[in-house]
Amino acid sequence: GAGVSQTPSNKVTEKGKYVELRCDPISGHTALYWYRQSLGQGPEFLIYFQGTGAADDSGLPNDRFFAVRPEGSVSTLKIQRTERGDSAVYLCASTLGGGLETQYFGPGTRLLVL
Amino acid sequence: KQEVTQIPAALSVPEGENLVLNCSFTDSAIYNLQWFRQDPGKGLTSLLLIQSSQREQTSGRLNASLDKSSGRSTLYIAASQPGDSATYLCAVSGGSYIPTFGRGTSLIVHP
Repeated sequence: GAGVSQTPSNKVTEKGKYVELRCDPISGHTALYWYRQSLGQGPEFLIYFQGTGAADDSGLPNDRFFAVRPEGSVSTLKIQRTERGDSAVYLCASTLGGGLETQYFGPGTRLLVL
Repeated sequence: KQEVTQIPAALSVPEGENLVLNCSFTDSAIYNLQWFRQDPGKGLTSLLLIQSSQREQTSGRLNASLDKSSGRSTLYIAASQPGDSATYLCAVSGGSYIPTFGRGTSLIVHP
C-alpha cells in the first residue's frame, strides 16, 4: 500500500480480555514504532523494531504488553488481561532505514476497554 | 530524561495571520527535530524534519527553525488558512532513536 495501515480502526473490549492490534508499514521500511496516545497528549513511545528484532522495548508499560514482527514487515501489538487504563489510541509508524528519519504514521487503532 | 514543551497549548487566529508555534526541549543532545500535524481522529503527518546540524527547513508556507544550544524550535506558518486548523506536535530524537513528543498546539484558523 501507499501508506501505513492499521487494523482494526476501532476496538471495544471488556476488562480482562486479550486484544491484538495490527500494523502494516510502508513496503521496504525497516524500522517500525508503536506509540500510545491519550487524549490531549502527545504519542508515548512503546517499542521500536529494526527488522525482525525489538531494538528498544523500554516503553512497554508492563508484561501484559508484547509486540512481534516475525518477518520484518507486519507487526502485531498484543495486550493481555486488558485494563480500563489501556484505553487509548495506539499508533504505528515506520521509517525507511534507521530511526532518525522521517516517521510515517498510520491512522491508529482506538482501543476502548469497558 | 528528555522533556518537550509546546507553547501555546491552543491558539485561535483569523485567516491570513502569520503565526509562530514554539517547542522547547530540555536536553540539547539531539539528532533531529520533527514537526507533525495531526487532524482530529487521524494519525500524524510529518511536516518538516530538521537535522541537528541544520538551522532551519522550509516547505511552502511553513518554516521551522532550530536553536539546539538553547533547546528551542519554532514553526512559522505564513498567511494562515482554515485548512491549517489542526494540532501541531514537535518531537525530538536523540541517540536512543526514540522520539519524545510534546503535547501539541491546537490551532484553529477561522474564516
